[in-house]
Amino acid sequence: NAGVMQNPRHLVRRRGQEARLRCSPMKGHSHVYWYRQLPEEGLKFMVYLQKENIIDESGMPKERFSAEFPKEGPSILRIQQVVRGDSAAYFCASSPTTASNSPLHFGNGTRLTVT
Amino acid sequence: RKEVEQDPGPFNVPEGATVAFNCTYSNSASQSFFWYRQDCRKEPKLLMSVYSSGNEDGRFTAQLNRASQYISLLIRDSKLSDSATYLCVVSRYGNKLVFGAGTILRVKS
Repeated sequence: NAGVMQNPRHLVRRRGQEARLRCSPMKGHSHVYWYRQLPEEGLKFMVYLQKENIIDESGMPKERFSAEFPKEGPSILRIQQVVRGDSAAYFCASSPTTASNSPLHFGNGTRLTVT
Repeated sequence: RKEVEQDPGPFNVPEGATVAFNCTYSNSASQSFFWYRQDCRKEPKLLMSVYSSGNEDGRFTAQLNRASQYISLLIRDSKLSDSATYLCVVSRYGNKLVFGAGTILRVKS
């Protein structure tokens, strides 16, 4: 049973380009969460999605960032017109339920570097 | 004020030592509590859940004090492989986790 799969592992973009980060949840998990970790900081919640629905995007910057989790295929975190401050590790996690004691399983992360 | 506060360390301890980490959280509505471990900026991995009654998993003991909004982790007989960043994590609802910035542990031979 494969874990949460994220790709690419490393992504380099120049300022102004678009970044697309992909996350395939664990089999049977329909809840996906995206977190961002800036250098020397803790993980910060960005968005929570279920299939075809954004449930909570309270941690997403209002501009340039969007996320989706289509009926088929992986969840996508999209960052338009990237800036140097977007350089971070982006982790995706999934869970089978929303029970607060249901542990999250994290993917290996995508390390985005904006040059 | 951060919602979850941890001493960043680093804690430098010899093998075999006992070390304790503390964490405080500000939101009294928090419902679930965890310790995660993160190695070298890799993905965080669940170490253990934390309950008011206290819980133990081998060399690791976690404790929650809801009245003081305080969480602790005790590691006994430290191993070199315990070197990592330990993340204190709380959840208010569902699985929306709030992470502390982490405490660095370095175990030396």
